[in-house]
Amino acid sequence: KAGVTQTPRYLIKTRGQQVTLSCSPISGHRSVSWYQQTPGQGLQFLFEYFSETQRNKGNFPGRFSGRQFSNSRSEMNVSTLELGDSALYLCASTRTSGGQYNEQFFGPGTRLTVL
Amino acid sequence: DAKTTQPNSMESNEEEPVHLPCNHSTISGTDYIHWYRQLPSQGPEYVIHGLTSNVNNRMASLAIAEDRKSSTLILHRATLRDAAVYYCILRDYPGTASKLTFGTGTRLQVTL
Repeated sequence: KAGVTQTPRYLIKTRGQQVTLSCSPISGHRSVSWYQQTPGQGLQFLFEYFSETQRNKGNFPGRFSGRQFSNSRSEMNVSTLELGDSALYLCASTRTSGGQYNEQFFGPGTRLTVL
Repeated sequence: DAKTTQPNSMESNEEEPVHLPCNHSTISGTDYIHWYRQLPSQGPEYVIHGLTSNVNNRMASLAIAEDRKSSTLILHRATLRDAAVYYCILRDYPGTASKLTFGTGTRLQVTL
C-alpha cells in the first residue's frame, strides 16, 4: 500500500511570498496532521484535519492555514513568508482521529527554504 | 501536555541490546506512552506504545515502571539501521486527538 506522499519535496521562496504544500494520506486514512521541524524548535504540531474539519491546532500564527478535501488530501498554506518559516514540513495520516491505537504514518516532508 | 525527559544521545555497538530511558514523572492516568523514531532524512515512524503493562512487537519492547513515572525502550539487537532520533511521547487518550508533542529525543548512534 502506498505511503503518505508530499509535494513538492523541495521549495525555495522569498520573503513575503506565499506557499502551498500538499499531502496525500494513505488510502483509507481520514485524518491528516501537519508538523513543522526546525533545528531550533524541533518537531512542532501545526494542525490536524479530519473529515474536512480542523480538529486541533498548534500554537502558530494565522499565516499558517490548512484545509482538507473530500478525498482526505490536505494542503497547508503559509502566507507572507518569513525567514523563520524555513523548515521541514511533515504530514502524517491516521485512519481516524484520536484513539490510542492510531499509529501516525509520516510522509518524507517538504523542505521549504525562505530567502 | 505532560513532559518527558530523555538523554540527548546514546551509543551502542551493533548486535548489542540498547535500553533507551524516558522519564515522565507528571504522567496522568489517561496518558499512553508512545515511542517514535526518525531515521536520517525521513519522517518519524511509529515504534511502540503502551499504558501500564510491558509491550513487545517486532521492532522493540517497551518496559513501563510500576509507578509509570518512567519507561524504557529496548532494542534487542541494534543494527546500523537503528541509528535514529528516538522520541518518547505521552498521548492523552482521548483528549487531544492525533496531536503528538515531540520533545528533543535521544540520538542513538550505532557503531560496528
